[in-house]
Parts: sequence; structure tokens; C-alpha cells
Amino acid sequence: NAGVTQTPKFRILKIGQSMTLQCTQDMNHNYMYWYRQDPGMGLKLIYYSVGAGITDKGEVPNGYNVSRSTTEDFPLRLELAAPSQTSVYFCASRTTNYGYTFGSGTRLTVV
Amino acid sequence: AQSVTQLDSQVPVFEEAPVELRCNYSSSVSVYLFWYVQYPNQGLQLLLKYLSGSTLVESINGFEAEFNKSQTSFHLRKPSVHISDTAEYFCAVIPNQAGTALIFGKGTTLSVSS
Repeated sequence: NAGVTQTPKFRILKIGQSMTLQCTQDMNHNYMYWYRQDPGMGLKLIYYSVGAGITDKGEVPNGYNVSRSTTEDFPLRLELAAPSQTSVYFCASRTTNYGYTFGSGTRLTVV
Repeated sequence: AQSVTQLDSQVPVFEEAPVELRCNYSSSVSVYLFWYVQYPNQGLQLLLKYLSGSTLVESINGFEAEFNKSQTSFHLRKPSVHISDTAEYFCAVIPNQAGTALIFGKGTTLSVSS
């Protein structure tokens, strides 16, 4: 049981490049989330999904897109990377009883 | 809308001293409450949570938190800290009627020195 797996762990992007942050969970959770963590700011919700085919915006969705074609996968897409997207990104999934599991994070630097 | 305020951004303490990390929330509806811990360069781990029942909840490593509805607080306490407790601690809430995503405070860095 791997829990929530995020890849890559580290990435450096140039301004304007695109990339996809991968997130996979093997716990059959319907609820999945993407957060970004910036120093001194806590975690802010980017997008979330309540099941395959259903996604919705969180607090800071601009510059990001998501899809949820399967229960297991919830990739986060950055289309035109900007320095403001330098952050640590966490994916999480949740049980029906509010048991959240977080991935180990992706540290992204945009230069 | 819900919000979480962690009153101290940094808390330095000596080993074996007691510690309290303060958390207040704002919400017009009932909430569930959580404390998470993040060790350097790692993800978040659940420390404890309050969903219902006893307002005093405990973790396996000696932390406890008490839900105080009248003061809208969920402070985290430990009577005697260890060097290994050095980490960042996040308080989080979720509305228990219709919410799905955790709303986090900005975090408190606990630094334990000998």
C-alpha cells in the first residue's frame, strides 16, 4: 500500500515552459486535492476532485489545470510557468471519515 | 467563510519544557479540527483530530488538544517536549456539513533546543 505518490520530487522550469505534476493514490479514495505551500503562508488549495470526472477550483487556481479520468490519478498541469509558481506542491486524498493522506511533495522552481 | 489563525509563527523552547501552540478558527458553522506536523523536507502527517465526542483528543506521541467551542480554539499542548518534536505544526479546519477541503493556518515552527 503506497498511499499517495507524487512525481517528480524536484523540478526546475524556465519561465513559459509547461509541465505536469503527477499524483496517484492506491486507496480507492474519491476525494483528492492539490495544495501549494509557500514559506510562512501555510497550504492553499489549488484544485480538488470529489470523484472521477469531477473537479473544482480551490482558492488559488489561476495558472493551473487538472483532470480526473480515473479514481487513482489526479495530475496538475502548469501551462505557462511563472516565477510566482515557485512552491512546494502537495497532493492529498481523503477517506469518507476525513482521514487525509498527503504525498511527499514536489518542489518546483521557476527561473 | 472559514479561516484559521495560528497565533505564533515561531515557538522556541528548551527540551523537557511544556509547550502550547495556539490555534483559533472562525466559522459560522460547526467544524472538524485537525493538527498536522511537518518535519523538514517531508509531507504532512496527522497528529490528531476532533470530529465529535470528547473535546480532549490525544496523539500517540504525547500531544493533546482541546476543542473549546465558546472560544473557537483548538490549542495543541505537550507537557514535556523532545528535540525530535522540532517541526512545523499546522492547524486545519473543515466545515462538517458541506466542506471537503482542509483550510490551513499559516503554521507554527516549534524549535526545541537542549
